[in-house]
Amino acid sequence: SYELTQPPSVSVSPGQTAIISCSGERLGSKFVSWYQQKAGQSPVMVISDDSKRPSGIPERFSGSNSGTTATLTISGTQAVDEAEYYCQAWDNRIAVFGAGTRLTVL
Amino acid sequence: QVLLVQSGAEMKKPGASVKVSCKASGYTFTNYYLHWVRQAPGRGLEWLGWFNPRNGDSKYTQKLQGRVTMTADMSINTVYMELQRLTSDDTAFYFCARVETEASDFDYWGQGTLVTVSS
Repeated sequence: SYELTQPPSVSVSPGQTAIISCSGERLGSKFVSWYQQKAGQSPVMVISDDSKRPSGIPERFSGSNSGTTATLTISGTQAVDEAEYYCQAWDNRIAVFGAGTRLTVL
Repeated sequence: QVLLVQSGAEMKKPGASVKVSCKASGYTFTNYYLHWVRQAPGRGLEWLGWFNPRNGDSKYTQKLQGRVTMTADMSINTVYMELQRLTSDDTAFYFCARVETEASDFDYWGQGTLVTVSS
């Protein structure tokens, strides 16, 4: 079965850039979405179709996808961005989620 | 605005069934698939399947094939996810989420329903 691999945790200081990776076989040939989930809340989509930012999502969130790795970048990270982040792609009509990356803003 | 409102928490015994509802509003119900995703406590997201209100089609993850059924009541814009023969491994938050096509992004999510399976 298809797998997406994310680092378990990423730490960043306020104002710095956070980079969260997601890797998978031929991932660049698929569309990747990213979801932010804060404690006790439902996931919220922050990036769709590799790099599109939904309405209401701050400009500091951006995404890219090429080769075997998709990347979520948060520029000027704020304390409010502390959350779990999941990447997601489709493989043979099945939704696959990464295991999640815990972003800590120190 | 788009809202997906789910039914309340459930506590079930092993072997029982549970039926979780997801009521949609703020958009044309038949224009979007409704998917189900679950999350065991402290764990990641697991996709369960989808229901297409336009034609009544559904698709389920192979892991739950034979135990899960997704249906809808079109008169009240509500989709249901029923899971049978529950075990403790089914203890999780269950989320419904809207998707424009069969396989695009999950743009709106319900608030989640906690299903606890315990003897």
